[in-house]
Amino acid sequence: DTGVSQDPRHKITKRGQNVTFRCDPISEHNRLYWYRQTLGQGPEFLTYFQNEAQLEKSRLLSDRFSAERPKGSFSTLEIQRTEQGDSAMYLCASSLVTPNLGYQPQHFGDGTRLSIL
Amino acid sequence: KQEVTQIPAALSVPEGENLVLNCSFTDSAIYNLQWFRQDPGKGLTSLLLIQSSQREQTSGRLNASLDKSSGRSTLYIAASQPGDSATYLCAVETSGSRLTFGEGTQLTVNP
Repeated sequence: DTGVSQDPRHKITKRGQNVTFRCDPISEHNRLYWYRQTLGQGPEFLTYFQNEAQLEKSRLLSDRFSAERPKGSFSTLEIQRTEQGDSAMYLCASSLVTPNLGYQPQHFGDGTRLSIL
Repeated sequence: KQEVTQIPAALSVPEGENLVLNCSFTDSAIYNLQWFRQDPGKGLTSLLLIQSSQREQTSGRLNASLDKSSGRSTLYIAASQPGDSATYLCAVETSGSRLTFGEGTQLTVNP
């Protein structure tokens, strides 16, 4: 169990540029989640995947945001035409959910901090 | 819409004190409640998960309780240590597996 890994840890970019983040979940976990956290606030849910299927998207996920998990393993979150308001910590989490296990804790990565100049 | 509130927003205590952090939520239709710890610039570490059918969970010096009907949870930390200094976040899981978080309690334990 190597934990949830996110890359990059920090990203600084100019307004209007596109950015892509990667998340590698714990290998046996079938669910993967994306959250956004701004300074002094708790994380806010963006979207989640069950294997490769994207099952839910928050209203926070505007048309400029897209997330994929093509093979049911790693996931990418892309933000197009970045805006100042996109500056935040983007957190990825994973969990294993099965009928027998019930609800298990979500394990979080250390996040990608995005700064828009 | 589920809303989670944590009180106090910040807490400073001397080492060795026992302390209680509070969490309340507006919709009692939850699957579970989780307490997390977050260190500056880091991700979240899961501390305790209480299923909706349970009333408490314990891990070492930590004890979390859940009263689903009143929409409340408490995290009790015994014999606090400087290493406990962090932000503590409460989150509830509702349908669709999304976690709804409170804004956290920033804890400082002074040596």
